[in-house]
Amino acid sequence: DAKTTQPTSMDCAEGRAANLPCNHSTISGNEYVYWYRQIHSQGPQYIIHGLKNNETNEMASLIITEDRKSSTLILPHATLRDTAVYYCIVRVGKSGGSNYKLTFGKGTLLTVNP
Amino acid sequence: KAGVTQTPRYLIKTRGQQVTLSCSPISGHRSVSWYQQTPGQGLQFLFEYFSETQRNKGNFPGRFSGRQFSNSRSEMNVSTLELGDSALYLCASSLIPRDSYNEQFFGPGTRLTVL
Repeated sequence: DAKTTQPTSMDCAEGRAANLPCNHSTISGNEYVYWYRQIHSQGPQYIIHGLKNNETNEMASLIITEDRKSSTLILPHATLRDTAVYYCIVRVGKSGGSNYKLTFGKGTLLTVNP
Repeated sequence: KAGVTQTPRYLIKTRGQQVTLSCSPISGHRSVSWYQQTPGQGLQFLFEYFSETQRNKGNFPGRFSGRQFSNSRSEMNVSTLELGDSALYLCASSLIPRDSYNEQFFGPGTRLTVL
């Protein structure tokens, strides 16, 4: 699976949009971009994933650049409860019966301030 | 629908002992994966089970083992505990492991402390 690079930490004001970047310059054509987050003392929580088109769900939006070498997770209106470590992961989509594991990096600690 | 449950939530053991952790996946989910999370190493994949068979394994010593039962519940065992095994052990379940669109749902984890 391709390696990802994320900033160690970011701050965001409550009510503002939080934009979390991720670089995955070695991503290959069959790898998806996944985002998870982990709130302190809880298990990771799935947020969103995409291949090459931008995606939106009730939690966030995912913007993937045209060359797919980077992406941005957008939380449109951050709240204090969004304070967490956010992980960007790239993984082969079709597991082909093996290697379904998720490889987590260090992630970005997002702190939402009142 | 109930989420992934893990028991116990907290555990304290001493070096040399062995421990068994349990995971109940979301109803209908057949794939269970285990991860170890430590401050220094982050979240690392241990192994994955599907239909009672281990399908994938991370780079951990043989002291770490697991199994899955016919009802998809899974256990992992660590023998001859070492101080470095102190970690949060997370279990994740997914519906069908071969489906690229199925995300993994994580449980709250078991916090293991080895003294």
